Amino acid sequence: AQKITQTQPGMFVQEKEAVTLDCTYDTSDQSYGLFWYKQPSSGEMIFLIYQGSYDEQNATEGRYSLNFQKARKSANLVISASQLGDSAMYFCAMTAPYGNNRLAFGKGNQVVVIP
Amino acid sequence: DTGVSQDPRHKITKRGQNVTFRCDPISEHNRLYWYRQTLGQGPEFLTYFQNEAQLEKSRLLSDRFSAERPKGSFSTLEIQRTEQGDSAMYLCASSPASGASSDTQYFGPGTRLTVL
Repeated sequence: AQKITQTQPGMFVQEKEAVTLDCTYDTSDQSYGLFWYKQPSSGEMIFLIYQGSYDEQNATEGRYSLNFQKARKSANLVISASQLGDSAMYFCAMTAPYGNNRLAFGKGNQVVVIP
Repeated sequence: DTGVSQDPRHKITKRGQNVTFRCDPISEHNRLYWYRQTLGQGPEFLTYFQNEAQLEKSRLLSDRFSAERPKGSFSTLEIQRTEQGDSAMYLCASSPASGASSDTQYFGPGTRLTVL
């Protein structure tokens, strides 16, 4: 079974600064996928970025990058140049291809961007 | 570009009543998932369909819960004899069916259930 750990307390970030959200995971699978989702107060889960366990390069999507350290089983999300619209809950999740790709989520990190 | 839609967005019901939620996935996606999210937690997997076949159910899905996807398109999630503990956000997601771990799940806006 997969387990995701997100333990940071809520974070306040100055607009235009970068923020790093921590995520560690535990799995016995060799092949798995790591995802980050954003959930604003409206409730919808918005896909941000994906990293495959065999990908050698860290994933990037615009202002989002994933710092993947496989040996440490960590998949931290970096948001550069924070904007007010980045205020939300951020969830780390993982799948394994032999588990019907169901997602296992962490408890989330709360981010508030202040002007 | 039509995303995943869910209806209703909000539902308030009295304990003991039955409720039904609907999810319309992205049209070319064969896989459909239901998750439940309680306050302060991440979503938890409930059940999974590939086309019309329900292939996996979580232990969280008690016998009061039933889900269907009769024609492999939209899905319904029914909760019978609701309890206050059923109050949560019910999220639906869909993805393509290739089985690769890169198949991203796209979520709908959710149905927020409140049981009084």
